[in-house]
Amino acid sequence: DVKVTQSSRYLVKRTGEKVFLECVQDMDHENMFWYRQDPGLGLRLIYFSYDVKMKEKGDIPEGYSVSREKKERFSLILESASTNQTSMYLCASSFPRKGMDEQFFGPGTRLTVL
Amino acid sequence: AQSVAQPEDQVNVAEGNPLTVKCTYSVSGNPYLFWYVQYPNRGLQFLLKYITGDNLVKGSYGFEAEFNKSQTSFHLKKPSALVSDSALYFCAVGSSGTYKYIFGTGTRLKVLA
Repeated sequence: DVKVTQSSRYLVKRTGEKVFLECVQDMDHENMFWYRQDPGLGLRLIYFSYDVKMKEKGDIPEGYSVSREKKERFSLILESASTNQTSMYLCASSFPRKGMDEQFFGPGTRLTVL
Repeated sequence: AQSVAQPEDQVNVAEGNPLTVKCTYSVSGNPYLFWYVQYPNRGLQFLLKYITGDNLVKGSYGFEAEFNKSQTSFHLKKPSALVSDSALYFCAVGSSGTYKYIFGTGTRLKVLA
């Protein structure tokens, strides 16, 4: 069975903290993505990666960075957490064809920044 | 620029009745269209996709979707709704020119017993 796992289901952090969200997939997928999901806004792409050590900004990259040192792992970093980053964060992976392959999603991390 | 619209925030339907969840899109070039479902406190699950070929696409759990190029729509349908179909549904579009997918804002489906 295809699997995307995220390090935490729920996370509570303080303003200004550095936050790491980890995502691991076991499908040997080239592409990995980080989204945030907010009510009424759907899913918005933060960053994506189409290969190890490669990363590209999505639609809302401000305040975030990413790391992809190994093919199976894609980390999202909040350099200095702020209350407006309170959200549900979803990781996804897919096969390499641009735009054509379905994405497999992790269960999500609900982050609260106090 | 790519965009996806799901015009209804919520759709209510009685169990056993047919359901439709609407999606329209805008993309330059050939569109690749997807439907996903999200149950409470879960990630998204893939339902079906249109890449090319037949305009009627069949997917998981008895869902199907109809691609209409002239109306730029990709509505999700099911002939007979179940209470267990109640969830949040997302339409998404991709294109061969980019790794990015654009998601709609989601439609909450409530199937009433």
